[in-house]
Amino acid sequence: DSGVTQTPKHLITATGQRVTLRCSPRSGDLSVYWYQQSLDQGLQFLIQYYNGEERAKGNILERFSAQQFPDLHSELNLSSLELGDSALYFCASSLQGGRDTQYFGPGTRLTVL
Amino acid sequence: EDQVTQSPEALRLQEGESSSLNCSYTVSGLRGLFWYRQDPGKGPEFLFTLYSAGEEKEKERLKATLTKKESFLHITAPKPEDSATYLCALLNSGNTPLVFGKGTRLSVIA
Repeated sequence: DSGVTQTPKHLITATGQRVTLRCSPRSGDLSVYWYQQSLDQGLQFLIQYYNGEERAKGNILERFSAQQFPDLHSELNLSSLELGDSALYFCASSLQGGRDTQYFGPGTRLTVL
Repeated sequence: EDQVTQSPEALRLQEGESSSLNCSYTVSGLRGLFWYRQDPGKGPEFLFTLYSAGEEKEKERLKATLTKKESFLHITAPKPEDSATYLCALLNSGNTPLVFGKGTRLSVIA
């Protein structure tokens, strides 16, 4: 158990809908990262937050957004969902950033029908 | 652009048959190379971090090594429970996120 929690575990929704994925980092960690993993793409970095502020951005679609709250939990919002958004979404956390080890949560499996 | 290439894509071993997984990389300035293990449908589990060429780290049947161009994950006398996908990821000198390879899917047969 990494100490990172994610909810829900599974999400099934329809095209065009909006969903919110939630992540609680390990106790004491200030950085939260979001990744998308699909079968053909591997783990793709989406976005990083550090202590409530956006720190780094990957190839995150404009339909996707995230935030980190004062209690350091984070939410990833996915809107206008398309079939191709079906994937595993992982949250990771680290103490601060940079060389600090990232510890991953169990993931949320999103299925868009 | 930073790149990570893992080989082979898949590896099938008999229990006890030692082997190595390769992670070759190109990066502007390496700050760290990370190895993770991932079981199907689960989140990646941290194994090792290597920071400089010549560094080695060990954990049970696993040993990770690093050169200026590649890293190896050596698996000695593997057991079926070592079956998983092994991912390597690199961190460069800038303020950029981890870049992951696509992984090596290891199957160890009893």
